[in-house]
Amino acid sequence: QLQLQESGPGLVKPSETLSLSCTVSGGSVSSTSSYWGWIRQPPGKGLEWIGTIYYGGTTYYAPSLKSRVTMSVDTSKNQFSLKVTSVTAADTAVYYCMRRHRVGSGIYYIDYWGQGTLVTVSS
Amino acid sequence: AIQMTQSPSSLSASVGDRVTMTCRASQGIRNDLGWYQQKPGEAPKLLIYAVSNLQSGVPSRFSGSGSGTDFTLTISSLQPEDFATYYCLQDFKYPLTFGGGTKVEIK
Repeated sequence: QLQLQESGPGLVKPSETLSLSCTVSGGSVSSTSSYWGWIRQPPGKGLEWIGTIYYGGTTYYAPSLKSRVTMSVDTSKNQFSLKVTSVTAADTAVYYCMRRHRVGSGIYYIDYWGQGTLVTVSS
Repeated sequence: AIQMTQSPSSLSASVGDRVTMTCRASQGIRNDLGWYQQKPGEAPKLLIYAVSNLQSGVPSRFSGSGSGTDFTLTISSLQPEDFATYYCLQDFKYPLTFGGGTKVEIK
């Protein structure tokens, strides 16, 4: 059974960089049928896809965040990570890491999620 | 980006009711549509993928249908544990986009 666990600071100051990691257990980040990524949810609001990364390093980012987001994979630690620079209060949200799974000839779905971690941007 | 419009944004229903909610895409997304259930304080949970495929372990009272731009999630007989917010997600092309959610409340 795959498990994902987010880790990182729960409080970040405005203009600084938000950094989160997601540790994968029960599976490998090098799986050829898995894409890894991040989704966030501001308090009381809906879900927003941030981006997705493949273990080889190919990344896809939300256009609204692309200039501030970097994702990476560390196969030695079986982890992937998220960095968001120049944060503001608008970046306050629960951040979920997730797995986007590919089956057959092109069917994808997000089947595993971390429990989520609240990141508050405040001085 | 493809916009996903869910309706209604909320609904009130009773246990045993048949409940239907819809998701409309701003352009065709083939069958690359999933439905997720989220309860307060929890991560979303996959219910249905590729429009109509029930995820393992999800009760058969959940079903999905549709094609192209219009999709539907139906709960055939609402149970107490089904009161939650439901989101659709298009997985056809990047950026992935969610609908705004439908909150199912107790009548």
